[in-house]
This record gives sequence, structure tokens and C-alpha cells, in this order.
Amino acid sequence: DIVLTQSPASLAVSLGQRATISCRASQSVSTSSYSYMHWYQQKPGQPPKLLIKYASNLESGVPARFSGSGSGTDFTLNIHPVEEEDTATYYCQHSWEIPWTFGGGTKLEIK
Amino acid sequence: QVQLKESGPGLVAPSQSLSITCTVSGFSLTSYGVHWVRQPPGKGLEWLGVIWAGGSTNYNSALMSRLSISKDNSKSQVFLKMNSLQTDDTAMYYCARGITTVDYWGQGTTLTVSS
Repeated sequence: DIVLTQSPASLAVSLGQRATISCRASQSVSTSSYSYMHWYQQKPGQPPKLLIKYASNLESGVPARFSGSGSGTDFTLNIHPVEEEDTATYYCQHSWEIPWTFGGGTKLEIK
Repeated sequence: QVQLKESGPGLVAPSQSLSITCTVSGFSLTSYGVHWVRQPPGKGLEWLGVIWAGGSTNYNSALMSRLSISKDNSKSQVFLKMNSLQTDDTAMYYCARGITTVDYWGQGTTLTVSS
């Protein structure tokens, strides 16, 4: 199974600053055309919400302050400028092969 | 609009079996796969398995021997069955629509395994 390691496990970012979350896969999840890595946001008491698909494609309706990058085994989610409503836990997830797996999550606090 | 809604027993005794139903609307089960994901209290997300539009299934290898996913296209329902439940199966269980990623999720149903 592909292991996804997220870092940091938690971070606190001042309002209006940048939050950067990393996700490293135990093997490549990219072809020359696509990276099968996706990002979700989960707020307490709610199901996850898809933010970014295929590493860098913003899901419809998601604010442009969210962006994703990376390929191969290393991926990054950036949020800039962070807002109060971005307080949540963020997960990466691959769909390269079965089984799909999720990263352990990164809890974001806004200072 | 696309909706998924889980319904389950809430409380199950250890060693017993579980059946959860996911009722969908706004899309056809013959066009999309439906995944099952669970989340123990205070922990992360675990992918359990999927039933694809054509009816084939894939499972988390660690749980494969205890899991079964099926569906009734005509009723727009997907079923998760798990046997030999233990206390560490206590979790929120979500169904979610997806092909190469998951774009819509249900609100989840809580399962507690306890005597």
C-alpha cells in the first residue's frame, strides 16, 4: 500500500499569512500527464470537502487562496492568505492504485 | 443536486455484524462509483472499499475478509456489510461518490461497537 506522510501534524498561522502543508508518498503517484493526488478539508462535525484534485486543480467553488503543487512523491497544499474559516484538518489522498489511502492529516489553527 | 445519506444501526455488540445503507440521489449508480470511508473518533480517514459503476468491487486489503459492498441500482442504494466487529471498528462511516477522486460525501453515520 502507498503510505502518505503529511507534515506538519499541526500548525498555527497568523491571519493573512501563508499556510504550507506537505504530503510525501512512499512511491510515485504521477504519470507524465497527471498526478493522482488530491486534497481535502474537514471541519469538526462535517465530512471532508474536496479542495484540490490531480495535485493542482482547484475544485469548483473553492476559493483561489487554496493552491496545490507537486509531482512524483512530493506534494504541497498552500493557503494564502489564510482566513478564520480555514481552521480545519487537511488530508491528502492518492488514487494511483487500490487501495486508496489518506495522509494522517494536518490540523490548521489560525492565530 | 447530488446527495448521499447513510443509515445504520448506531450500536452493535462485539462479534456481531453490521449493515449500513447509502441512499443516493442526483446521480446514477450506473455512472459513478461509491466509496466507503471511516473515521474513528479523533482520528484520520481510512478508505474501506468501493463499488464501481459496473458493479465490480475493491477493498482495503486489511479488512477484505470482513467486508462486502453491494448495490441496488434501481433503488439507488449501496450497502456496506462488515462482520466480526470489534471495539476498534467504532467510527463514523461515510459513503462518497467518486471515480478517481471523491467529490461528494454523505454526512456519515456513527457506529459504536460495545457490549
